[in-house]
Amino acid sequence: GAVVSQHPSRVICKSGTSVKIECRSLDFQATTMFWYRQFPKQSLMLMATSNEGSKATYEQGVEKDKFLINHASLTLSTLTVTSAHPEDSSFYICSASLTDTEAFFGQGTRLTVV
Amino acid sequence: GEDVEQSLFLSVREGDSSVINCTYTDSSSTYLYWYKQEPGAGLQLLTYIFSNMDMKQDQRLTVLLNKKDKHLSLRIADTQTGDSAIYFCAGPDSGAGSYQLTFGKGTKLSVIP
Repeated sequence: GAVVSQHPSRVICKSGTSVKIECRSLDFQATTMFWYRQFPKQSLMLMATSNEGSKATYEQGVEKDKFLINHASLTLSTLTVTSAHPEDSSFYICSASLTDTEAFFGQGTRLTVV
Repeated sequence: GEDVEQSLFLSVREGDSSVINCTYTDSSSTYLYWYKQEPGAGLQLLTYIFSNMDMKQDQRLTVLLNKKDKHLSLRIADTQTGDSAIYFCAGPDSGAGSYQLTFGKGTKLSVIP
């Protein structure tokens, strides 16, 4: 099946720094990628929809200046958490769509801000 | 870690009930979730159930949990064409900490008018 690779799987950063998370579709082209966040003991919540070559569409309550999304090619989307704070510590997961009805998930990134 | 399995396809006629089934392996799962993905859209949380519950009803949706068999089901009453989507079952992976969910591969529900 289609593979979505997310990197890094774990990252620890200092407060105030920025962290970039990559999401790659390895064997297919994904015109749309999705970024999710999971708070501790809560379920996954959609953050934004990323379309290749255009601006991402953010869900209500998600700060677009804090969570920068770049979908530079059909196989790569990046999420940059800018000026990270401890409350940004979370699990971030991406998914990529192969067709309108299929989505494949990355393995997720556990971000810890200290 | 958690392993979640669900059937890949389901086809029902409009107005009938749909039942989507899921099995999981991690008996310590505290919450189990159903997500819906409509064509071209991201995942949206549909409903969830706590592990100390057997059933949860929310309008047309009924979630049944059989902890003994580690079986979860989602029933959609009076299925409409707008219910056509992919439905994902998900459970927390206790081995990976409280952050991580393990998703099934999704069940594609097709509603025939």
